[in-house]
Order: sequence, then C-alpha cells, then structure tokens
Amino acid sequence: GAVVSQHPSWVICKSGTSVKIECRSLDFQATTMFWYRQFPKQSLMLMATSNEGSKATYEQGVEKDKFLINHASLTLSTLTVTSAHPEDSSFYICSASLSVYSGVDTQYFGPGTRLTVL
Amino acid sequence: SQQGEEDPQALSIQEGENATMNCSYKTSINNLQWYRQNSGRGLVHLILIRSNEREKHSGRLRVTLDTSKKSSSLLITASRAADTASYFCATNDGNTGKLIFGQGTTLQVKP
Repeated sequence: GAVVSQHPSWVICKSGTSVKIECRSLDFQATTMFWYRQFPKQSLMLMATSNEGSKATYEQGVEKDKFLINHASLTLSTLTVTSAHPEDSSFYICSASLSVYSGVDTQYFGPGTRLTVL
Repeated sequence: SQQGEEDPQALSIQEGENATMNCSYKTSINNLQWYRQNSGRGLVHLILIRSNEREKHSGRLRVTLDTSKKSSSLLITASRAADTASYFCATNDGNTGKLIFGQGTTLQVKP
C-alpha cells in the first residue's frame, strides 16, 4: 500500500525559532499533499493544500507567512513553522493523494509530527 | 471549519458488543470516508462510501449513508480491545480533493 512518512516524528524547540517538517510519499508520486493541524483531543483542521510545482493554497485563518509550504517534487512537501511560539505547539499531520482529479479519492496519511514550543 | 458533528463524542463498551458512531455534515459531498486514529498516531483509512451508495461493508465494519439527512453511521460489530481508538468521518466534495473532518468519536473497548 501507499506509505507516507514524516520527519521528524517529534521536535521540541525554543520560542522564536523555525522548525521544518518533511512529508514524503515513499512508493508513489503525490500530485497533491495536504497539511493538517490537530490540537489535543480535537479533530484535524486542514491548513493548506500543496500542489507540486505551484504555490500552496491556504485555508482561511492560516497565516501563509508563518506556515511556509514547499512542494518541490512529487514525493516531498515541507512545512516550515517560522518564529514558532508556544501556541503553535500541536500535532502536524500530512497526507498525500495520487491525484484529486483522476477519481482517486483516498488520501494516505503520515504518522504525524508532534511539535512542542517552549 | 469543521464540516459537521459526530456523536457520541465518547463511547465505552465491553468487548464483543457492537459500537455505532454517527456523523452529520452540512454541504454536498462526492464521498464520505471513515478513519481511525490511535492515540498520538496518524490516521488509518477504514472505508469510503460514495454519494450514490447507501451501505457498504468491510469485514466487521458497516457504513451507511443517507444523503437526504446528510448523515452517516459507522457500525463496528463484535468489538475488540484493539478497536479502542478515535474514529473520524471526513467528507470530500469531489472538486478540490479536500477532506473536511468531523469532530470524532473516542471509542473505548474494555476487555
């Protein structure tokens, strides 16, 4: 089956620093990747949609200058949390889709990255 | 924003019993999917039901979809302790590929 990895699985950083999270599709090419944030005991909130070779589309209320997304290849998307603050502490999950326009609806989720900002 | 709501928010049952979770949504959909999430882990895709389907089975899972009521249910039969997890429904509008998640149901199956 399709496998998506995330790195790192957890990270602790000081307030004001930037953190990069990688999302890779290991055995398939992902035209589209999605980034979600999940606070404790809550559901997943879609942050942005990332298409290879183009700018990410951010959901309402998500600061694009704070959460930088780069989808440089069909197997890699990165999320950089810039100038992180304690309120950015969360579980960040990515997912990858073969193509949203080919009738393939399933998204394959990564294992998540737990970010703690001190 | 969240698409809809799930109920119950929490469910505790004994091993062997059936567990039913409900999901309601607000807008038109192309399909509805159910996912499982173990504590602190990523999501596992369970089942997808398309808007023109009313019921679907996969092993011990049974999903129903009522588009007139904008609701879906997930039934887990003969539950096991290993089924303990959070379960989320997610809707797909078929245009953008976005998944909009419900609030989730936390299921505890006691051995």
